[in-house]
Amino acid sequence: DAGVTQSPTHLIKTRGQHVTLRCSPISGHKSVSWYQQVLGQGPQFIFQYYEKEERGRGNFPDRFSARQFPNYSSELNVNALLLGDSALYLCASSLVLSGDEQFFGPGTRLTVL
Amino acid sequence: RKEVEQDPGPFNVPEGATVAFNCTYSNSASQSFFWYRQDCRKEPKLLMSVYSSGNEDGRFTAQLNRASQYISLLIRDSKLSDSATYLCVAENYGGSQGNLIFGKGTKLSVKP
Repeated sequence: DAGVTQSPTHLIKTRGQHVTLRCSPISGHKSVSWYQQVLGQGPQFIFQYYEKEERGRGNFPDRFSARQFPNYSSELNVNALLLGDSALYLCASSLVLSGDEQFFGPGTRLTVL
Repeated sequence: RKEVEQDPGPFNVPEGATVAFNCTYSNSASQSFFWYRQDCRKEPKLLMSVYSSGNEDGRFTAQLNRASQYISLLIRDSKLSDSATYLCVAENYGGSQGNLIFGKGTKLSVKP
């Protein structure tokens, strides 16, 4: 079975631009979460979606938004990119909303110049 | 104070050594706890869940003390392949606390 997939794997943008990151969960998983991991730190929670509804939001500015589609795939959008947005963006999926193992995708490495 | 705090590391140990990682969490509402392992430039992968009764998986033993809000991971007979960053994780529910709350991670290097 395919694991969590993310695209693109790498991305280079300039300040002020917009970016869209994509995630496909494991088949049958209805929950998708997004995390940001900067170098030397643990992942930091951004959003969780379950059954196409936002169920959790971390401490990130409104420049960050996300959505989940009927097939449970998800997009993370970041507007007005800042240098500090450079990070590894991880998507994780799980069967249920909470208490279950979250499986992570390989991530999208975003560099903002 | 960070929600999940871990030993800063790095831990450099010889093969065969026993190594212990400690972690504390600040939110008493946290309900589930995990240890994840992350190899260099890879995604985190679940190592094991942590229960109040303690749990063991081969060379790995995890413990949870809810009263002192403390989590531990013990690795016995360390292997070269155990070299990685170990992330302590608490799961919160609801509000703005978010989903999985990760510690900064502790890097382990096992040397021959």
